[in-house]
Amino acid sequence: AAGVIQSPRHLIKEKRETATLKCYPIPRHDTVYWYQQGPGQDPQFLISFYEKMQSDKGSIPDRFSAQQFSDYHSELNMSSLELGDSALYFCASSLLRPYEQYFGPGTRLTVT
Amino acid sequence: QQQVKQSPQSLIVQKGGISIINCAYENTAFDYFPWYQQFPGKGPALLIAIRPDVSEKKEGRFTISFNKSAKQFSLHIMDSQPGDSATYFCAALDMDTGRRALTFGSGTRLQVQP
Repeated sequence: AAGVIQSPRHLIKEKRETATLKCYPIPRHDTVYWYQQGPGQDPQFLISFYEKMQSDKGSIPDRFSAQQFSDYHSELNMSSLELGDSALYFCASSLLRPYEQYFGPGTRLTVT
Repeated sequence: QQQVKQSPQSLIVQKGGISIINCAYENTAFDYFPWYQQFPGKGPALLIAIRPDVSEKKEGRFTISFNKSAKQFSLHIMDSQPGDSATYFCAALDMDTGRRALTFGSGTRLQVQP
């Protein structure tokens, strides 16, 4: 079965640079979520989109923005990167109903 | 403040034994409780989930027990295998608000010894 696809899988950036993470949800899934997971921590919700509209917002810094496109893929844009932004970034997708969220393999962002 | 409290932080079980991980929540509006398994460097994988209208759900070697009055739920892994060694996260969600963001517990690192 098709899964959530994320790219790139690894990304190394310097402080103050920008980064763009991409997510391709499971086909026919209408909702996309972004989570951030620091080392040894649980995933923290950043933002979600339903049918290309932002549906919920969590602890996402103002330096980050995201959008969902007409083909349902989503991009997380991160500017003015800080060392503390180093983390695993996961995208998950689901149907509105039922509620099961399926996670992608993640993008490991390292800010040096 | 962790809305979903998970214990233990780490667990060592012998092969063939039962692994038990517990979670407790405060928000009575939570009405969907999934468990995720995560291997190092991988994304969380949905294992099993339960709604409050049932007290137990079993899928293969994995069972969720749910106690609505105590606001607690637990994951039991029967006949634990070395391949089960991973970090397990419980989570909760309030479906009625329309929010779909999962609130995760802090995770349990399970090690199954051969």
